[in-house]
Amino acid sequence: QSALTQPASVSGSPGQSITISCTGSSSDVALYMFVSWYQHHPDKAPKLLIYDVTHRPSGISNRFSGSKSGNTASLTISGLQAEDEADYYCSSYTSSNTMVFGGGTKLTVL
Amino acid sequence: QLQESGPGLVKPSETLSLTCTVSGGSISNSVYYWGWIRQPPGKGLEWMGNIYFAGNTNYNMPLKSRVIMSVDTSKNQLSLRLSSVTVADTAIYFCVRFSSRAAFQWGPGTLVTVSS
Repeated sequence: QSALTQPASVSGSPGQSITISCTGSSSDVALYMFVSWYQHHPDKAPKLLIYDVTHRPSGISNRFSGSKSGNTASLTISGLQAEDEADYYCSSYTSSNTMVFGGGTKLTVL
Repeated sequence: QLQESGPGLVKPSETLSLTCTVSGGSISNSVYYWGWIRQPPGKGLEWMGNIYFAGNTNYNMPLKSRVIMSVDTSKNQLSLRLSSVTVADTAIYFCVRFSSRAAFQWGPGTLVTVSS
């Protein structure tokens, strides 16, 4: 199972919106509504931001939103804040009954 | 809460063994399932596999021949064993609670270094 494809880095200024893409295949992202997104600050445990493509767990800001079209999922962060600077990972359930991650995207808040 | 424990240093060719203690809820809750995700230094996240409280498992194919996950419902713990380790297995290992094919809760992680 190949890793999902994410841009290595994205950046934005405070208050702006950014979108991180996550491209998979017909065996994972395109096939299921089981895409999730994680925020990972250094030396901390990753945190779930989005599950089932669009759903936010309790306590997650509505500045984070997810979507999917075909084999590409997206995470949008609106109203960018300094504390959003982190690594972001997507993941998807696969037809092999496994889970696959993207390579990660480093978000820089300018 | 989830808390990983185990040796921080393992020799090449030996077996890595980690335990995750689950507190604040029962590992037998059928709403959830459990697993391990790792992150090698400077690299991304890698799903290793998951296990249901009844013992059913799914493993990442590249690791399948070397990994065993188990649960001990009496101790509310899950365990990871990874055999024949190499330096490529050096990573932070996270214990994870899954639901709806997503990792809802993570332990703080434990660094395991493979070195002679």
